[in-house]
Amino acid sequence: KNEVEQSPQNLTAQEGEFITINCSYSVGISALHWLQQHPGGGIVSLFMLSSGKKKHGRLIATINIQEKHSSLHITASHPRDSAVYICAVEETSGSRLTFGEGTQLTVNP
Amino acid sequence: EAGVTQFPSHSVIEKGQTVTLRCDPISGHDNLYWYRRVMGKEIKFLLHFVKESKQDESGMPNNRFLAERTGGTYSTLKVQPAELEDSGVYFCASSQIPGSAGGYTFGSGTRLTVV
Repeated sequence: KNEVEQSPQNLTAQEGEFITINCSYSVGISALHWLQQHPGGGIVSLFMLSSGKKKHGRLIATINIQEKHSSLHITASHPRDSAVYICAVEETSGSRLTFGEGTQLTVNP
Repeated sequence: EAGVTQFPSHSVIEKGQTVTLRCDPISGHDNLYWYRRVMGKEIKFLLHFVKESKQDESGMPNNRFLAERTGGTYSTLKVQPAELEDSGVYFCASSQIPGSAGGYTFGSGTRLTVV
């Protein structure tokens, strides 16, 4: 069982829909990252969280440290949001990241 | 400020050949990480440099993989001899201080295909 579990693995939405991607982890962490990867592209960091909630444009990320759970929300989704969204945690034991398998999001016009 | 640069962006080699991947971190970033994603799996840690020293190489899969960071600037990851299961995307990341507080920045990755 992976230490970082994401759901769903695949998500298809219509343009304008509200989207939620979930991430659960089983280890103690110092930070959690939400990352985005477009087809053929590199990885872009969206958020780094250690507590609470962060918002950037139409993206919102929340984390509940007690429940070891984080969510990434996209409001008013758009086809250009189509990408793989990856959750990664930095364990308290070190600085390297442990990744979830990613969620493939497709937003149809 | 230039980001983390990786090259080549794509490489297709035959089984048994040697390939060298390169990562140029952000200037001044002492910490450099290599990760890879093989088909259908999550991204996994390979190793962590602090300047020219290997801080943690516990993720290196076997002795066919050799990473170096001479002078503490750019890093190379050599695979010799390459096997089919080495195919995947190899990512590099750098940070000024260890971990997220130092601002992880990722490169675009090198897609390696071994045929």
